[in-house]
Amino acid sequence: GIQVEQSPPDLILQEGANSTLRCNFSDSVNNLQWFHQNPWGQLINLFYIPSGTKQNGRLSATTVATERYSLLYISSSQTTDSGVYFCAVEYPAGKLIFGQGTTLQVKP
Amino acid sequence: DTEVTQTPKHLVMGMTNKKSLKCEQHMGHRAMYWYKQKAKKPPELMFVYSYEKLSINESVPSRFSPECPNSSLLNLHLHALQPEDSALYLCASSHDRGATDTQYFGPGTRLTVL
Repeated sequence: GIQVEQSPPDLILQEGANSTLRCNFSDSVNNLQWFHQNPWGQLINLFYIPSGTKQNGRLSATTVATERYSLLYISSSQTTDSGVYFCAVEYPAGKLIFGQGTTLQVKP
Repeated sequence: DTEVTQTPKHLVMGMTNKKSLKCEQHMGHRAMYWYKQKAKKPPELMFVYSYEKLSINESVPSRFSPECPNSSLLNLHLHALQPEDSALYLCASSHDRGATDTQYFGPGTRLTVL
């Protein structure tokens, strides 16, 4: 089956710092989403990004489908950005396969 | 409105109990999903319903029984669970079980089996 790998597994930042999270996938996919899971377990949609670049405030994402990777950029990090970031690919249709996640801690 | 609601938020049950988890969405989505998430692990797909019909069952034990009474509602019936079934159960929905749909997740039900 398809493999989804995220790096780094853990990340500690000082408030205000920037970071890049990476997601590699082993096969062509129909869909790629980035999520933020807060400490209460809620999965919040950040981006639906099968290809190209999108920006939403301090967050942006780029997916290079031909090279099978996606990047999530967090700029000027805040303590509320803490949590687990997952990328998930859809393969086959309807089935989301999640990476292991990146646990981010932003210190004040 | 991109809201998926789940009840209850927390559930504690014994191994002989029967309980149900409920998920609801009013976005007109025709695909609904159940995921299971163990602590410090990613969510794993359990079931997919498309147009109220079960379309994917990821070899889930029969002690978990899904039901989709209508296009807005998804239930997960639980019976004779084991302690290892303790987890966060997440429901999601999307426009269709297709290649271009964002899945929206509910807040989850945290289940403890004693």
